[in-house]
Amino acid sequence: GAVVSQHPSWVICKSGTSVKIECRSLDFQATTMFWYRQFPKQSLMLMATSNEGSKATYEQGVEKDKFLINHASLTLSTLTVTSAHPEDSSFYICSARDTRNTEAFFGQGTRLTVV
Amino acid sequence: SQKIEQNSEALNIQEGKTATLTCNYTNYSPAYLQWYRQDPGRGPVFLLLIRENEKEKRKERLKVTFDTTLKQSLFHITASQPADSATYLCALEVHYKLSFGAGTTVTVRA
Repeated sequence: GAVVSQHPSWVICKSGTSVKIECRSLDFQATTMFWYRQFPKQSLMLMATSNEGSKATYEQGVEKDKFLINHASLTLSTLTVTSAHPEDSSFYICSARDTRNTEAFFGQGTRLTVV
Repeated sequence: SQKIEQNSEALNIQEGKTATLTCNYTNYSPAYLQWYRQDPGRGPVFLLLIRENEKEKRKERLKVTFDTTLKQSLFHITASQPADSATYLCALEVHYKLSFGAGTTVTVRA
């Protein structure tokens, strides 16, 4: 199947700083990428849909100024957690879908810890 | 809104037995339903997709059924192995977005 690479796999940052997470589709073009957040023993919660060349669409309750999404090319989307706080600590996962397929390909996830 | 429920949070079985997981959903029936596997600290990996007009789908030791009348999908792991230990998620597509159940964590004892 297709490969989605997410970087970094883990990051520790201080409160008030910003963290950028990258998501790349390595062998296919992804016009749409999705960003999820997952708390321990809970399901993936969709945060936003990232569209190449246009603004991201955020789910209800997700602060767009807090979680900045940029989809600059057909193979790269980034999520920046701005002014991070301890409650932002979570597992963030991106996914992409090849337009020919219905299955989603996921990145490895990023464990963010804000101290 | 669509609600997805997976029957149990955890399932412990003996190696060689069959694990059966349940996924129930409310509201409208999707055109297809998907199952993913997630290992600790990793992103989900796609396993199987079953369409609304398909009763059953198989892939190696995995079998999925889809009953749109009951609004339910069953996921079976036959001849289970310790390597099958993971969390299994069912997912439905709503307006091109995937919504996931909370998952069932399967532990296979040797």
